[in-house]
Amino acid sequence: GNSVTQMEGPVTLSEEAFLTINCTYTATGYPSLFWYVQYPGEGLQLLLKATKADDKGSNKGFEATYRKETTSFHLEKGSVQVSDSAVYFCALSENSGYALNFGKGTSLLVTP
Amino acid sequence: EAQVTQNPRYLITVTGKKLTVTCSQNMNHEYMSWYRQDPGLGLRQIYYSMNVEVTDKGDVPEGYKVSRKEKRNFPLILESPSPNQTSLYFCASSLSLVGGQETQYFGPGTRLLVL
Repeated sequence: GNSVTQMEGPVTLSEEAFLTINCTYTATGYPSLFWYVQYPGEGLQLLLKATKADDKGSNKGFEATYRKETTSFHLEKGSVQVSDSAVYFCALSENSGYALNFGKGTSLLVTP
Repeated sequence: EAQVTQNPRYLITVTGKKLTVTCSQNMNHEYMSWYRQDPGLGLRQIYYSMNVEVTDKGDVPEGYKVSRKEKRNFPLILESPSPNQTSLYFCASSLSLVGGQETQYFGPGTRLLVL
């Protein structure tokens, strides 16, 4: 079956540091890949997505590239801000697509 | 404003007392879904609906019921809640899920405590 593995948190960074959150997946077909972000006390919202191999999703300074050869979709940001403190979820959806399969989430805390 | 709303946001109840968590979306989305979020487990799908009167089980459907009588509403029903259903629940919707590429829009969550 499908699954998503992402790095354990919490991750604590200083403002302006470089961020990488690793995500790898297992899927039987050719899934679409997503990063969702959950700010404190809120629901999840889409951060970025990529629907085929070698696609790069980007939004708000965050980027992730769909790497089929390494089955990965790592999230990166060059300079984090305090306002980026949140929980980040990697997810996949098969093209037959009845559900998102989520990773367990990575909590990020950015300190001034 | 396009949104998914859930009510109530917080609920404390006792074992066996039936409850309903409502979910409504104003985006004319076909697809709606319920997830539960538990520490260390991420989000797991409970039920989903592809359209009116079409529902199906997700990964963890035991102890839950749903209905989809109208396109905008997708209530989650716990007929006899138990403490292991204490969780944070999210409703989500998307235009469709054909092809798996659609963005899902999430409600703000309902935190349920079953004593």
